[in-house]
Order: sequence, then C-alpha cells, then structure tokens
Amino acid sequence: SQKIEQNSEALNIQEGKTATLTCNYTNYSPAYLQWYRQDPGRGPVFLLLIRENEKEKRKERLKVTFDTTLKQSLFHITASQPADSATYLCALGPGGGNKLTFGTGTQLKVEL
Amino acid sequence: DVKVTQSSRYLVKRTGEKVFLECVQDMDHENMFWYRQDPGLGLRLIYFSYDVKMKEKGDIPEGYSVSREKKERFSLILESASTNQTSMYLCASSSPSGLTDTQYFGPGTRLTVL
Repeated sequence: SQKIEQNSEALNIQEGKTATLTCNYTNYSPAYLQWYRQDPGRGPVFLLLIRENEKEKRKERLKVTFDTTLKQSLFHITASQPADSATYLCALGPGGGNKLTFGTGTQLKVEL
Repeated sequence: DVKVTQSSRYLVKRTGEKVFLECVQDMDHENMFWYRQDPGLGLRLIYFSYDVKMKEKGDIPEGYSVSREKKERFSLILESASTNQTSMYLCASSSPSGLTDTQYFGPGTRLTVL
C-alpha cells in the first residue's frame, strides 16, 4: 500500500539557520508533490508544488527538491525565523478523484 | 481571496447524538473533501465529492455520511456520535481545472464526544 513518511520527531533549530524537512514515499509514482504549512488549531495552507519532471523549486526563502529515484522530497527554509514554527505536511498526487495523500507532518520549532 | 468556512470551531456532543458539520466554499470548486486529523495519524480522508449530489468514500467512511445538495456546501453527518469520533475535522476544496489538486482548507472543527 502507499506510504508517506515524515519525521515524527519535532525539529528544533536556531533562528537564522536552514531547516530541512524530509518526505519519503513508497509504492507510489506521484505526478507532483505539495508542501503545506499548518499552525496549531488551523487548517493546512498550501506553500509549494513540484512536479515529477522538476528537480528543484524555489519561493522566497523556501526551496523544495524532488528525487523520484530516491522517492524523496526535501523542504528547506533558509534564514529561519520563529514565525516559521509550525507543522509542515507533504502531500502526493494525483489520486483518483483529484485526491491527495498526506504525510503525518513534521513539527518545526525555530528558537531565538 | 479564497475562503472555506466551517460552521463551528468547537463542538461538544454526547454519545448517540446526530451531529452535522457544515462546510461552505466561495471559490466555485467542484471538489470538496472531509478529513479528520488525529495526533500521529495525520490527515485521513473520510469522504469526498467531485460534483453536486456525488460522493465517494475515502479511507475511513465508517460511522459517517455526507450530503452535497449545492456546489458550495458539503456537510458531514455523524449519525450516532461515539467517543472515538472525537477529533479535529477539516474540510477542503479544490478545482480539477487547476491540474494540481491544490486543496484549500477551512479552519477546522474540534469535536468532542462525551
């Protein structure tokens, strides 16, 4: 069955450093991968999408890589700030009926 | 600005009660989804709908039903609430024409069943 793995342990980093989050998947051949941010008590918010034929995508301080051979995506936040503290979810698609399959998320804490 | 709203942020119900969770989107999206989110289990799809009056089971439909009478509104129904349905419920919508299935989420309803 399809499986998406994100590090369940919280990632604690110091302000100004680069945060790197990992999303691994098995038994899946996604056409694209998405990253969402979720704050406590809120719904996820879309951040970035990367397609299977793209190696890297950037948006301001965010960078996503996608390696379909390793079946892995890395999500980087450069010059991290305390305001970046949140849970980050990866999602793979497409699924039938335009569904996405979500990972469980990794909590990021950026400390002063 | 896109918007998905849910009828309640917090809800407390008793075991056996019938519970209605309402979701409304103003983006004219065809697709709508209901998830529940529990610690360590992530987002699990309960039901989704790709058109008015159409519905499809997700991964965990047992104990739930849905209704979509209008394009902008998707309701989740707990026929007889049980304590194991205590959870955060999230509604989302997307447009198939976007070719990316980006989903827009509501703020969530935290349901407690006593």
